Amino acid sequence: QKEVEQDPGPLSVPEGAIVSLNCTYSNSAFQYFMWYRQYSRKGPELLMYTYSSGNKEDGRFTAQVDKSSKYISLFIRDSQPSDSATYLCAMSAQGAQKLVFGQGTRLTINP
Amino acid sequence: EAGVVQSPRYKIIEKKQPVAFWCNPISGHNTLYWYRQNLGQGPELLIRYENEEAVDDSQLPKDRFSAERLKGVDSTLKIQPAELGDSAVYLCASSSRRGPTEAFFGQGTRLTVV
Repeated sequence: QKEVEQDPGPLSVPEGAIVSLNCTYSNSAFQYFMWYRQYSRKGPELLMYTYSSGNKEDGRFTAQVDKSSKYISLFIRDSQPSDSATYLCAMSAQGAQKLVFGQGTRLTINP
Repeated sequence: EAGVVQSPRYKIIEKKQPVAFWCNPISGHNTLYWYRQNLGQGPELLIRYENEEAVDDSQLPKDRFSAERLKGVDSTLKIQPAELGDSAVYLCASSSRRGPTEAFFGQGTRLTVV
């Protein structure tokens, strides 16, 4: 079993829809939770990160962490075609310098 | 501020040939990472440097892969000899002392071994 599990999709939704992306993990030592966006043939770009449990909002993006369930989510409101990309969750333990990534979910927003 | 720069962007080589990738991190970033991303997968760490010291190379296949970071700035990742299974995107990232939450990635080198 992988430390971080992420549904690879692909996920296709109409423009303006609310998108929910999720990851589960098994390592209870993870304290930092990140979401990266990766456009085709580009490197991952950090979208948001959260420390420990709770919610964090940044514009149309909301990240949620539920450590009791070992489950994290990224919500995208009013989705735009420019949001079409692969979304990667990543995690790190306190004091560790290593990121553990999920498989990535390929998202397409249809105009 | 310039981002992480990698070269070449693409490389096609025959199996058993050597290949090298170069990375220039963001200025002032002491931590440098090399990740490998297979098609349809998330990146996996190969090696991490703190300045010029390799502090985590447990996932680096040392029989054919080598890396160096001279003077704690630029880094080179080498494969010799390359195998078909090495086809992947090789990503370099760097971060400040604040850790992996501030890691910035380069665009990657897409390697195809034929």
